[in-house]
Amino acid sequence: QKEVEQDPGPLSVPEGAIVSLNCTYSNSAFQYFMWYRQYSRKGPELLMYTYSSGNKEDGRFTAQVDKSSKYISLFIRDSQPSDSATYLCAIGKGGSQGNLIFGKGTKLSVKP
Amino acid sequence: KAGVTQTPRYLIKTRGQQVTLSCSPISGHRSVSWYQQTPGQGLQFLFEYFSETQRNKGNFPGRFSGRQFSNSRSEMNVSTLELGDSALYLCASSRIDRTDTQYFGPGTRLTVL
Repeated sequence: QKEVEQDPGPLSVPEGAIVSLNCTYSNSAFQYFMWYRQYSRKGPELLMYTYSSGNKEDGRFTAQVDKSSKYISLFIRDSQPSDSATYLCAIGKGGSQGNLIFGKGTKLSVKP
Repeated sequence: KAGVTQTPRYLIKTRGQQVTLSCSPISGHRSVSWYQQTPGQGLQFLFEYFSETQRNKGNFPGRFSGRQFSNSRSEMNVSTLELGDSALYLCASSRIDRTDTQYFGPGTRLTVL
């Protein structure tokens, strides 16, 4: 079983839709959860990070973590064409374990 | 504050050659991690450096190596290049007390012919 599973999509939605992106992970030792956005031919950009179960909101983005189910989500409200990118979830143990484990990424396309 | 910079941005090499990639972290960040990104495998961790010491290492062959300098700048080297080494190589930096939040550079796209 892979440490992080993410549906690769692609996912195509109309402008203004609510987007839901999800990942599951297998090891409860992971304590830190991140979402990155990667535009074509660019490096990943950190969007959201959280350490605890529950929701964290930042503008149109909400990150949700359910540690009991080992399930993390990113919701994008009022999606825009500029949100079209690949979204990667990442998990980490933190501390001296500086390596992150990434999902394969979900390619999102928001159509005007 | 300037972001993570990587040089060169693009490289074309032939099998058997070696290559050195460079990364300058965000000012004040002392931890530098390297990742390989390919369409098939996604982002995979190569190694992490802190205070000029390799602290963590991923599951890559010994042909992949790195180092960090006293100013936190880092280099990675790949020797005896193989076709499968073609990838986007990404460097990320973080504060040592926040290794969970890593900031990535634009990457170096390596093509091996």
